Amino acid sequence: DAGVIQSPRHEVTEMGQEVTLRCKPISGHNSLFWYRQTMMRGLELLIYFNNNVPIDDSGMPEDRFSAKMPNASFSTLKIQPSEPRDSAVYFCASSLGGSDSSYEQYFGPGTRLTVT
Amino acid sequence: AQSVAQPEDQVNVAEGNPLTVKCTYSVSGNPYLFWYVQYPNRGLQFLLKYITGDNLVKGSYGFEAEFNKSQTSFHLKKPSALVSDSALYFCAVSALSGYALNFGKGTSLLVTP
Repeated sequence: DAGVIQSPRHEVTEMGQEVTLRCKPISGHNSLFWYRQTMMRGLELLIYFNNNVPIDDSGMPEDRFSAKMPNASFSTLKIQPSEPRDSAVYFCASSLGGSDSSYEQYFGPGTRLTVT
Repeated sequence: AQSVAQPEDQVNVAEGNPLTVKCTYSVSGNPYLFWYVQYPNRGLQFLLKYITGDNLVKGSYGFEAEFNKSQTSFHLKKPSALVSDSALYFCAVSALSGYALNFGKGTSLLVTP
């Protein structure tokens, strides 16, 4: 298996532009997680899905952020409009866990977002 | 609420010496505990986990961790450090009935030759 795939790996955009980050989880995994990592705040959970359904989006910073999972093999995280403070590395992770949180998560390589 | 604390921002150790990276947790009920490692410009990689059973858990790359319920700790250990072990280490906790992990802020491990 190729592992969790994220695209793009790097994104540089100007303030106010729309940004879409993409994730393909490991085949057969039924849970998907989006995280944001910054030096100041560390690793933050933004949202997670179980069987394509959003379970908890309380970590999403504000209405400018939205996430979708239209099917078991694809998810997007969208920021519209983007702001410089959104600059961070965004990770997608998947697991077999479903409602069982004893399963480890597998992380993608991340998307480094820079908003100027 | 559930949380983990990693009290050390950085741990320095000489190659060949034993290493310990500390983690304490807070959770209602019995915890699931995890250690992940992050190399530069990479995603987090799973090292090991404690679910139940033996308090000493063995994981990848020669790492192990000891679950101590009375001290609510889950310290990561390795008998002999390698320079290639230098990375950022994250402890994480989940409650039995929860879905998501709460990660610590990470500890940077530097192993010098």
